[in-house]
Amino acid sequence: ELKVEQNPLFLSMQEGKNYTIYCNYSTTSDRLYWYRQDPGKSLESLFVLLSNGAVKQEGRLMASLDTKARLSTLHITAAVHDLSATYFCAGDAGGTSYGKLTFGQGTILTVHP
Amino acid sequence: DTGVSQDPRHKITKRGQNVTFRCDPISEHNRLYWYRQTLGQGPEFLTYFQNEAQLEKSRLLSDRFSAERPKGSFSTLEIQRTEQGDSAMYLCASSLRQGKNIQYFGAGTRLSVL
Repeated sequence: ELKVEQNPLFLSMQEGKNYTIYCNYSTTSDRLYWYRQDPGKSLESLFVLLSNGAVKQEGRLMASLDTKARLSTLHITAAVHDLSATYFCAGDAGGTSYGKLTFGQGTILTVHP
Repeated sequence: DTGVSQDPRHKITKRGQNVTFRCDPISEHNRLYWYRQTLGQGPEFLTYFQNEAQLEKSRLLSDRFSAERPKGSFSTLEIQRTEQGDSAMYLCASSLRQGKNIQYFGAGTRLSVL
C-alpha cells in the first residue's frame, strides 16, 4: 500500500527566501502530483510528474521527481506572501488502483515580511 | 466549463440522521472520486467511479456509506446513521481517464455531526 510523507509539516518563511518541501513515498508510484489548498478552499492542481527526472516549473515554484529515491521536491524561490497556503503531494500507485491518490499530510507554508 | 460543484457546502446534522451529498463533475470527465479530509490532514480516498461503474471502495467506507453515479453524470454520497466521527470535509473530484489524469476538486461539503 502506497504511503506518502511530507516534511516539514509547518514552514514559516521570510519573503525573498528559498526553501524546499520534501515528499517521500513508500512504493512505486505511477505519477506524483502537487496541489495547493488555501484556507476554506478546495485543492488546486499545481504539477503532475510522470517520470524519473521530471522537472516542472511555474513562476516561483519548481517540482521534481526522483523515482529511484522515491522522492519529490517542491522548491520555492524568492517567496512572496501570495504563496502562503497548504501544499500537498499525492501519489498514484497505478495498476488496478490507477487514479486513486494517496496524499501526504500537507505542508502549511506561511510567508511573512 | 464551470468546474466541479458540490452541494450543500455545509451540513449540520444530529447523530443518527442520514445525509446525502451531491457532486456534479466537469461535464466531459468520465472519472469521479470521493475523498474525506479532516482538519490538519490530507484528503483520504473513499471511492471512485468510471462512468457509472464504481471501481473501488476504501476500507474507510463502512456499510453506512453508499455512493452512486447514475448514468455516469452526477454522483451522490449518502451516510446513514451518522456518527460524530463522520464529521469532516467531503471532497469530490473528477478527471478524464487519459494522459495526466489530473483530478479537479470541488469546494467540498463540510459535515458536522452533533
